[in-house]
Formats: sequence, structure tokens, C-alpha cells
Amino acid sequence: DAGITQSPRHKVTETGTPVTLRCHQTENHRYMYWYRQDPGHGLRLIHYSYGVKDTDKGEVSDGYSVSRSKTEDFLLTLESATSSQTSVYFCAIGGQGFEAFFGQGTRLTVV
Amino acid sequence: SQKIEQNSEALNIQEGKTATLTCNYTNYSPAYLQWYRQDPGRGPVFLLLIRENEKEKRKERLKVTFDTTLKQSLFHITASQPADSATYLCALVYGGATNKLIFGTGTLLAVQP
Repeated sequence: DAGITQSPRHKVTETGTPVTLRCHQTENHRYMYWYRQDPGHGLRLIHYSYGVKDTDKGEVSDGYSVSRSKTEDFLLTLESATSSQTSVYFCAIGGQGFEAFFGQGTRLTVV
Repeated sequence: SQKIEQNSEALNIQEGKTATLTCNYTNYSPAYLQWYRQDPGRGPVFLLLIRENEKEKRKERLKVTFDTTLKQSLFHITASQPADSATYLCALVYGGATNKLIFGTGTLLAVQP
């Protein structure tokens, strides 16, 4: 999986609580991404980063924030989790030839 | 907004036949189009990239075509095997150097022995 580790792999949390998902890469890639995958919607981009402390919004960024203090780590935070944020979250890094390499995913359930 | 459609929710074929998956897009002129494979419970895995000036790209039993006039890409798996059973995702590159991807919802391929 191209040296990408997501943690945790599974999480159940209560509505209204903050949640942080972590993505760690060992490939020293500049670009990192967070996607969510839902039935009927496919993969949708939440936020992305193009360097340390450089981040920008994707198409479904409401309710999410990100931080990247080191090249290897990209954190996704749900400020106050809602049931609509129940999903599978994938981190990806951008390769040199525009391809993306994905982590194993984090299955988040908000109850 | 950009829209990507992939043919049918599931495609069932017999082992040894050629599987053909379709990706259609609207409101966009991508410079690159990619195909990924996704197995249950796992992240997508990059398979092939084709550029707008390439009509066809091959890799082993895989072949991708890209018709920018029709706004369509076809993904072929020849001599299909049960191990090819998976969901296949089409993706377009947008955002220039930031390499953001917009994905289709995928086609589930089931190869019957």
C-alpha cells in the first residue's frame, strides 16, 4: 500500500464528539488527500495538502478540518461528528505521474 | 459541475471472455483519465493512466481507450479470470498540478468460473 498507514481502522463515536483520523506516509510525497466513500456517491475529496501547513478544501469539506505539521502526517478532524459523517475515509498520496496511492481506509460510524 | 458515469452497477461475465467497462463524463475536458481497482474492504489501487493525446494504452491483459470527442473511456480486461472480480473506478484529474481526482461510482465486475 505504498507506505501509507491510516489509524484507527475502525471507530464508533457518538454524535457531537470530535474525532481525529490520522494518515502517515513513508514515501515523502508532497501531496496528500482525504476522501470519503459512500454508496451511490463514490469517492469524494474532503481536503488536500500540497505541503507542510499548506491545505485546501475539496468538494465536501463542511464539518471537517485538516492539519499537516510534518510531511509524513495528515490529520483529518471532525469537529463535532454527525450521523451524516458515517463513512469510509481514505487517505491518499499523489505520485509523480498523477496517480494516487490509497491507504486501507478507516470505517467511521457515528451513533 | 463535473459528472462521471460508469456503466451499470454490476457486470457479470464468464471466465475467458473480455470484460468491457465504460466511463462517460460531462462538463469537463480532462488532460488525464485513470482507472483503479478496488477490492472489498481495501483502498483503490491504481491500474492505468491515459492522456488526452493517447487513443489507447495497454498493460498486460488490460486496455484503456480515451475518446475526448465522445467524452468516454473504455476499459477492457481480456481473458478474464475470477481473480479479476472487483470494483473498477474511473477517475479524472483536475486542479492542474494539485492532482485532485474526481471519481465515478464504479462498476462491480464478477467473473464466473
